[in-house]
Amino acid sequence: KNEVEQSPQNLTAQEGEFITINCSYSVGISALHWLQQHPGGGIVSLFMLSSGKKKHGRLIATINIQEKHSSLHITASHPRDSAVYICAVEWGNEKLTFGTGTRLTIIP
Amino acid sequence: DSGVTQTPKHLITATGQRVTLRCSPRSGDLSVYWYQQSLDQGLQFLIQYYNGEERAKGNILERFSAQQFPDLHSELNLSSLELGDSALYFCASSPRGQNYGYTFGSGTRLTVV
Repeated sequence: KNEVEQSPQNLTAQEGEFITINCSYSVGISALHWLQQHPGGGIVSLFMLSSGKKKHGRLIATINIQEKHSSLHITASHPRDSAVYICAVEWGNEKLTFGTGTRLTIIP
Repeated sequence: DSGVTQTPKHLITATGQRVTLRCSPRSGDLSVYWYQQSLDQGLQFLIQYYNGEERAKGNILERFSAQQFPDLHSELNLSSLELGDSALYFCASSPRGQNYGYTFGSGTRLTVV
């Protein structure tokens, strides 16, 4: 069964801390996505990766194809980063399979 | 505004009823995807259309159907509604399909009472 696992499920940190959220998947993929869902419910696509590393502002996403693992890092975290972060993968069939999400809370 | 428009934003309806959710993709995007987010199942892929044709199907119930029109907007029809159909329904679009990235709409929150 194709599975996507995220850790941790919940993460609380102080403002300014370096944040890491992890995603593992069971078999080879064509692409991996990191999504952000704010309390209001809307979903924003942060990154799409098939190899290597991408950076956008304070967000960095990496993927290790051999280890079937991806990480999302947030540097200098801020309360506005509080959201649910969701990892999703494509297995070559255009169907996204989602992880259960990581609820991040940044305390001022 | 992401460029993907979903209407309505909220919908409350009774069991057994039928509703239609609408999605207008970002300008120029040919692919439309529908997802369901419920408390117990998380986010699940329902169905994808590409330029008017069904391209991929996920965990979509037989009571649900969708289509994409020539102007590329899409509708998701949910019939014989049950309490368990209460969820957030998201639409996303992408320029073509696989590996092109997605833009999500703000979702339709459906409550079945």
